[in-house]
Amino acid sequence: NAGVTQTPKFQVLKTGQSMTLQCAQDMNHNSMYWYRQDPGMGLRLIYYSASEGTTDKGEVPNGYNVSRLNKREFSLRLESAAPSQTSVYFCASRGTDYNSPLHFGNGTRLTVT
Amino acid sequence: AQRVTQPEKLLSVFKGAPVELKCNYSYSGSPELFWYVQYSRQRLQLLLRHISRESIKGFTADLNKGETSFHLKKPFAQEEDSAMYYCALITGNQFYFGTGTSLTVIP
Repeated sequence: NAGVTQTPKFQVLKTGQSMTLQCAQDMNHNSMYWYRQDPGMGLRLIYYSASEGTTDKGEVPNGYNVSRLNKREFSLRLESAAPSQTSVYFCASRGTDYNSPLHFGNGTRLTVT
Repeated sequence: AQRVTQPEKLLSVFKGAPVELKCNYSYSGSPELFWYVQYSRQRLQLLLRHISRESIKGFTADLNKGETSFHLKKPFAQEEDSAMYYCALITGNQFYFGTGTSLTVIP
């Protein structure tokens, strides 16, 4: 039981390049989330998907797009990377109970030069 | 609007000393609160949630609705407790995290 799996673990991009961060969960969770983690800023929600076929903006969605490909997979795309998007990105999922916790992946460390 | 506040960015305590990590929240409804821990360069892991009223790794947290607080406490800190700690609040489908407190336990 792998839980939440993110790929890649590390990525270096040049300004203007694009890439997709992949996330998959095997816990049959309905909700999935993308966060970014920056020093002194904590975790900030980029996008989330409450169920298959739906996505909603979080606190910091600008510069990102998402796709909920199916119940298991939720990808995050940077169309034109900027240095301000240098961060650690975490995917998470949670079950349907109101007080279900978030389960996190191992993170993707992205550097944009 | 800041829904979760962790006033201390850094906290250092000596091994064996008590530790308290502060968390205050802003929410008009009945809050669902969590503490997460992140060891160096690892994923965030659930430490405890108030609904369970459990004690994990010696840590406890009590919800104080009057003071809108959910402070994390441990009577005797251990070196392996050194980590980043995040307080989080659920509203609907969204989790709101504080900015985190980095705890260092000095041997």
